[in-house]
Amino acid sequence: GAVVSQHPSRVICKSGTSVKIECRSLDFQATTMFWYRQFPKKSLMLMATSNEGSKATYEQGVEKDKFLINHASLTLSTLTVTSAHPEDSSFYICSANLLNSPLHFGNGTRLTVT
Amino acid sequence: DQQVKQNSPSLSVQEGRISILNCDYTNSMFDYFLWYKKYPAEGPTFLISISSIKDKNEDGRFTVFLNKSAKHLSLHIVPSQPGDSAVYFCAASAGTSGSRLTFGEGTQLTVNP
Repeated sequence: GAVVSQHPSRVICKSGTSVKIECRSLDFQATTMFWYRQFPKKSLMLMATSNEGSKATYEQGVEKDKFLINHASLTLSTLTVTSAHPEDSSFYICSANLLNSPLHFGNGTRLTVT
Repeated sequence: DQQVKQNSPSLSVQEGRISILNCDYTNSMFDYFLWYKKYPAEGPTFLISISSIKDKNEDGRFTVFLNKSAKHLSLHIVPSQPGDSAVYFCAASAGTSGSRLTFGEGTQLTVNP
């Protein structure tokens, strides 16, 4: 069964609004979660590493103020796309490690900004 | 700078035959490699992995081969089944068990009945 749950699966919002995406680890604690973004027919690009109780680590070129990450508990990380614009439309996916097993991914969130 | 490359965007094979998906990497620090399978509008699902200390890992119908000198790995699926049709991503990480992955662009595999 799924070990990482992501919500919502799909969201449509108007330009200028903010959208929050949740990523939960099910039945295990994840001190570290990862946020990826996938453009159509492209690779998954790591955006940031979410660390429980501390600031997220962002990859080069990712705007910290645009993509706010909060990892307030050992089972929940959130990604907030602030003041969304059409170019932010994408497929966002979170992932987490279960012990030393390979990364488990959520089912992703399709964001469409109109 | 694409550190992990899958040069074939698509591959089509007949059911029962072997599917071979290829992946090349440029970063010498990568020491752990994974293959994920992905359906549209879903997250990737882990298939198989290999550490750089090995050159082959097998799990049922799936075998991954690693050629470190060539910085090349491949995924073999045999026999291929229609249900294997999906996008396959190669991924690599450095110094960890599989966190902070760098992905290739993916290869769309279609297995025809």
